[in-house]
Amino acid sequence: GAVVSQHPSWVICKSGTSVKIECRSLDFQATTMFWYRQFPKQSLMLMATSNEGSKATYEQGVEKDKFLINHASLTLSTLTVTSAHPEDSSFYICSARDPVPTQFFGPGTRLTVL
Amino acid sequence: DAKTTQPPSMDCAEGRAANLPCNHSTISGNEYVYWYRQIHSQGPQYIIHGLKNNETNEMASLIITEDRKSSTLILPHATLRDTAVYYCIVFNDYKLSFGAGTTVTVRA
Repeated sequence: GAVVSQHPSWVICKSGTSVKIECRSLDFQATTMFWYRQFPKQSLMLMATSNEGSKATYEQGVEKDKFLINHASLTLSTLTVTSAHPEDSSFYICSARDPVPTQFFGPGTRLTVL
Repeated sequence: DAKTTQPPSMDCAEGRAANLPCNHSTISGNEYVYWYRQIHSQGPQYIIHGLKNNETNEMASLIITEDRKSSTLILPHATLRDTAVYYCIVFNDYKLSFGAGTTVTVRA
């Protein structure tokens, strides 16, 4: 299957700082990427849909000013958690959709905000 | 969105086939059934998908009933590494929505 990478795999930051997470589709071009969040013992929750060259579409209840998404190329989308707080600590997972369309997921980024 | 119903958990013996059921009685004619699995602390892994016909790949087989209201994912020879949460998803509007899935534990 297609490969999607995420960087970093884990990050620890202080409250109030911003954190950027990168998502790359390594062997295919993805016009659409997705960002999910997963809390312990819960299922994945879709946060937003990212389309190359346009603004992201956020799910209800997700603050677009807090979770900034940029999809500047067909292989790269970034999620920036601005002014992070302990309640933002979670497992963030991206996915990229290939032409089939099938979504392939990255390995996830564990964010811990102190 | 068409919803799916899966058993919350199931055990299976290593080396035996694991049959994972999924009900999707409200599925529309152009909606696909996708299966993913998530091993602890990793991103979901794509397994297989289908529309009407049964499908098979190197990981699993997907059996879809003729009325398309249910399906079964078959892992032919389960190994300990197949222990994971398995998600059956009806693909709608280009967004995958994850339910609770089935926690599959493969025991030696």
